[in-house]
Amino acid sequence: KAGVTQTPRYLIKTRGQQVTLSCSPISGHRSVSWYQQTPGQGLQFLFEYFSETQRNKGNFPGRFSGRQFSNSRSEMNVSTLELGDSALYLCASSRETAYNEQFFGPGTRLTVL
Amino acid sequence: AQSVTQLGSHVSVSEGALVLLRCNYSSSVPPYLFWYVQYPNQGLQLLLKYTSAATLVKGINGFEAEFKKSETSFHLTKPSAHMSDAAEYFCAVSENDYKLSFGAGTTVTVRA
Repeated sequence: KAGVTQTPRYLIKTRGQQVTLSCSPISGHRSVSWYQQTPGQGLQFLFEYFSETQRNKGNFPGRFSGRQFSNSRSEMNVSTLELGDSALYLCASSRETAYNEQFFGPGTRLTVL
Repeated sequence: AQSVTQLGSHVSVSEGALVLLRCNYSSSVPPYLFWYVQYPNQGLQLLLKYTSAATLVKGINGFEAEFKKSETSFHLTKPSAHMSDAAEYFCAVSENDYKLSFGAGTTVTVRA
């Protein structure tokens, strides 16, 4: 079956702009999590959605937001981009919870200039 | 809060040698522990997970890990390294049902 897909794979934006990233989970998976990966901070949890409800949120400013649709697809949005938002954004899906195996997508590489 | 510490940001091994990656966790409750691998320009792939069923966990690609509660450790090993094992490895702990907390990662290089 198809894996987790993320679009776009690469993005270049300038400071102050906003960006929307998309994630399509594996069919049948209802939990979608987002992580930010940077060389300095490593992998950090952004938020997790299950059946269109945010169940957990990491320690990120309000400029970072997300949502999940009824088909389990998820989007995350970053407004008023800062240079420090440059990162690889990873989406992961699982059946129910983080205790289940999380399947990761290839990520979206965001560069903020 | 639960956390994970990976000892050693870089490990270099010869092909055919033992691979040992160290992970220590802190947790106030029985944890769920995971090892993931990331190849360049790819997402993370699960190697194995500990869910309290057995202390020695076998994973994919010949990797295994042993949960030691007394040492709060979950070290990853592979008896014989292969060139294809060159990647970055992450230890993670499940803090609750809804998130994973990752260690800083260990980059493995394999010398021919």
